[in-house]
Amino acid sequence: ETGVTQTPRHLVMGMTNKKSLKCEQHLGHNAMYWYKQSAKKPLELMFVYNFKEQTENNSVPSRFSPECPNSSHLFLHLHTLQPEDSALYLCASSLAGGPGDTQYFGPGTRLTVL
Amino acid sequence: AQKITQTQPGMFVQEKEAVTLDCTYDTSDQSYGLFWYKQPSSGEMIFLIYQGSYDEQNATEGRYSLNFQKARKSANLVISASQLGDSAMYFCAMREWNSGNTPLVFGKGTRLSVIA
Repeated sequence: ETGVTQTPRHLVMGMTNKKSLKCEQHLGHNAMYWYKQSAKKPLELMFVYNFKEQTENNSVPSRFSPECPNSSHLFLHLHTLQPEDSALYLCASSLAGGPGDTQYFGPGTRLTVL
Repeated sequence: AQKITQTQPGMFVQEKEAVTLDCTYDTSDQSYGLFWYKQPSSGEMIFLIYQGSYDEQNATEGRYSLNFQKARKSANLVISASQLGDSAMYFCAMREWNSGNTPLVFGKGTRLSVIA
């Protein structure tokens, strides 16, 4: 049981569409993360939220807009995406309590931009 | 400079044999944590094992053990008695702690294939 859910699992969208990815954690964690995983590239950190406050934006283009309304939910709003944005988007959460703070991941949303 | 280096893009192992996946790291922090994750073809990242920088004993979790050599800055994952279901990508990751809570930094991964 992962404790972190992501919807949708698969998404196909055109470059002019607006869509949102949703992540929910049921682990009582205080930190949430968005990662992007493209083919043949290492995992790229996009955004970090600690106690609902954004603490890291890793030079992500403005066409990706995160939202964290509470410690359990994290959204990634998408608009005017490019084909190179096609990737697996992974959400994770953690307690934010020390070096041994384990990040638990959701199953990911596989995004295809046409 | 890369914080996490995994030098083996791909590895093969015979079923029931042991395999070691290499990981070296770079940090000047005294306090840090090292993690290994497994990613099957389904995409989910599954946490396997954790080693703290101050832990004197090597971490073990079932068939997984972490060979921690602090002076060499290496944190190799050992999988004993490999099973077909172990075929996946394996990622080494680190969290530095001297600056407070920082997200995990991942290596590029090693693809493990278990052969029957």
